[in-house]
Amino acid sequence: AQTVTQSQPEMSVQEAETVTLSCTYDTSESDYYLFWYKQPPSRQMILVIRQEAYKQQNATENRFSVNFQKAAKSFSLKISDSQLGDAAMYFCAYRRGNAGKSTFGDGTTLTVKP
Amino acid sequence: GAVVSQHPSWVICKSGTSVKIECRSLDFQATTMFWYRQFPKQSLMLMATSNEGSKATYEQGVEKDKFLINHASLTLSTLTVTSAHPEDSSFYICSAQRQGSSYEQYFGPGTRLTVT
Repeated sequence: AQTVTQSQPEMSVQEAETVTLSCTYDTSESDYYLFWYKQPPSRQMILVIRQEAYKQQNATENRFSVNFQKAAKSFSLKISDSQLGDAAMYFCAYRRGNAGKSTFGDGTTLTVKP
Repeated sequence: GAVVSQHPSWVICKSGTSVKIECRSLDFQATTMFWYRQFPKQSLMLMATSNEGSKATYEQGVEKDKFLINHASLTLSTLTVTSAHPEDSSFYICSAQRQGSSYEQYFGPGTRLTVT
């Protein structure tokens, strides 16, 4: 079974600075997708960024980027120029290609200090 | 964009009663919908996978007779918590996979269930 591990239950960052959230996963599959979701206090899950396993290039979405290390099964999220609105719980998720079912990590609560 | 709604957003029911939660994909067709349960400050736990026109697939440890799932159309799935008890109080989230998409899931805003 696939597992997703987020080793940082809580992280904090000063506004305008950069923070990296860690995620490792375990799978024997070659075709899969990785995601980072943000869950603010409203509890609405918001997709931050996704990475297809077959792509070597790291995904980037504005201030959000990932460091995808396939051999190491690592998928970290870097948030640059942190903003107060980035404060939320962040979940790393794995999905096997075409299977639909996702496995989520335990989450990292990010605090942004003004 | 792809919007998923859930109704109700918050429900309080008495112990022993049943409550139905609806999950709708508003602007796309969803062949597959997923139901999750989330306790405060914890991760999402997948309860079941719902496929249109067929029986839901439940995760290990989830009681099929207690959590009834029906996916009657390509835009609607329902979760009925039968004979609810206080331990069923939780936040329930659905997500919908767009027909033809192999990876994208769109999440509903969630339903907070409180059983008194």
